[in-house]
Amino acid sequence: AQKITQTQPGMFVQEKEAVTLDCTYDTSDQSYGLFWYKQPSSGEMIFLIYQGSYDEQNATEGRYSLNFQKARKSANLVISASQLGDSAMYFCAMREVTMNRDDKIIFGKGTRLHILP
Amino acid sequence: ETGVTQSPTHLIKTRGQQVTLRCSSQSGHNTVSWYQQALGQGPQFIFQYYREEENGRGNFPPRFSGLQFPNYSSELNVNALELDDSALYLCASSLKEGLGEKLFFGSGTQLSVL
Repeated sequence: AQKITQTQPGMFVQEKEAVTLDCTYDTSDQSYGLFWYKQPSSGEMIFLIYQGSYDEQNATEGRYSLNFQKARKSANLVISASQLGDSAMYFCAMREVTMNRDDKIIFGKGTRLHILP
Repeated sequence: ETGVTQSPTHLIKTRGQQVTLRCSSQSGHNTVSWYQQALGQGPQFIFQYYREEENGRGNFPPRFSGLQFPNYSSELNVNALELDDSALYLCASSLKEGLGEKLFFGSGTQLSVL
């Protein structure tokens, strides 16, 4: 079963507009971490933002914020005032640590974001 | 620049061969994880090493194996290569600090199996 679902394969957004990238996750754990990473065409993965399952406040990092709705199991990324350099693939990811301390990181299939001038 | 380096950047192998990919972690990091990223897909978690021991593994067969060395550099070994093993292999290092540890990725090794 898919644990991280990103339903938007591609998005086109006008420069300076805000954009929301969707992510839903599936876990039975109470303790987990949620991440967003950016992958430009050059290939390197870049950390954007982290949200812990017990964090009551939504995470923010500069222009990035994470809209965390725990009951709905959603962790959408919001990019404010988009820039041309934001064009890239965006991946939502979840870290789980099982009872036997087995540590796993699961990525979604990604959303390709295109910022239009 | 993440401080994580991978070698080689590109590699071509034939089916049935064995391959070793290398990763040098960022200074001070004690954890390394490896991912397989097929074209147009998200990274798939292969395994993770913490202080030289495997402490997490994804759904990959035993022919995918790894090592982490005392200096926290790492290797990914793949035996009996198959055509479907063609992918970008990413290594990430981190400092183990619970669920919120950030991953710092290398630029990857592009493996082509012919």
